[in-house]
Amino acid sequence: DAGVIQSPRHEVTEMGQEVTLRCKPISGHNSLFWYRQTMMRGLELLIYFNNNVPIDDSGMPEDRFSAKMPNASFSTLKIQPSEPRDSAVYFCASSLRSGKQETQYFGPGTRLLVL
Amino acid sequence: AQSVTQPDIHITVSEGASLELRCNYSYGATPYLFWYVQSPGQGLQLLLKYFSGDTLVQGIKGFEAEFKRSQSSFNLRKPSVHWSDAAEYFCAVGASGGSYIPTFGRGTSLIVHP
Repeated sequence: DAGVIQSPRHEVTEMGQEVTLRCKPISGHNSLFWYRQTMMRGLELLIYFNNNVPIDDSGMPEDRFSAKMPNASFSTLKIQPSEPRDSAVYFCASSLRSGKQETQYFGPGTRLLVL
Repeated sequence: AQSVTQPDIHITVSEGASLELRCNYSYGATPYLFWYVQSPGQGLQLLLKYFSGDTLVQGIKGFEAEFKRSQSSFNLRKPSVHWSDAAEYFCAVGASGGSYIPTFGRGTSLIVHP
């Protein structure tokens, strides 16, 4: 298996621009998670989906952030408009929810820099 | 809600020395426990996990961890560290009786001296 695939790996943009991060989960997994990692706050869960349905988006920082999962093999995280404080590494992870035991598998991350 | 603490922000060891990274959790029932490793510029890779059964868990890359309920700990160990083990290590705890979402610690940065 190719693992979780994220694109782009690096993104540099200017404040006010729209940013779209993409994720392809591991085939057969039914849960997908978006995390943000910064030095100050560590690893934060932004939102997660189960069977393509958003279950908990309480970690989404504000309305500028939105996430979608139109099908089982693709998800996007969009920031519009972007701000310098959004600079971070964004990780996508997927898992197979079976009973109560599940293990998350992470993608390589997207390093976002907003100037 | 569960929580996890990694008391050490940085750990420095010499190559070939043994390693123990500490992880303490807070959860009222039997937790699910994980250790992940993050190399520079990479995502988090699962090292090992504990769901039930034998409290000594073997993982990849020669790592092991022991679940100690009495101490609420899940420390990660390796008998002989290699320079390539230098990375950030994250402990995570999941709730067996509630949310499926694991809570991650702040991480411990391992520095390996030649």
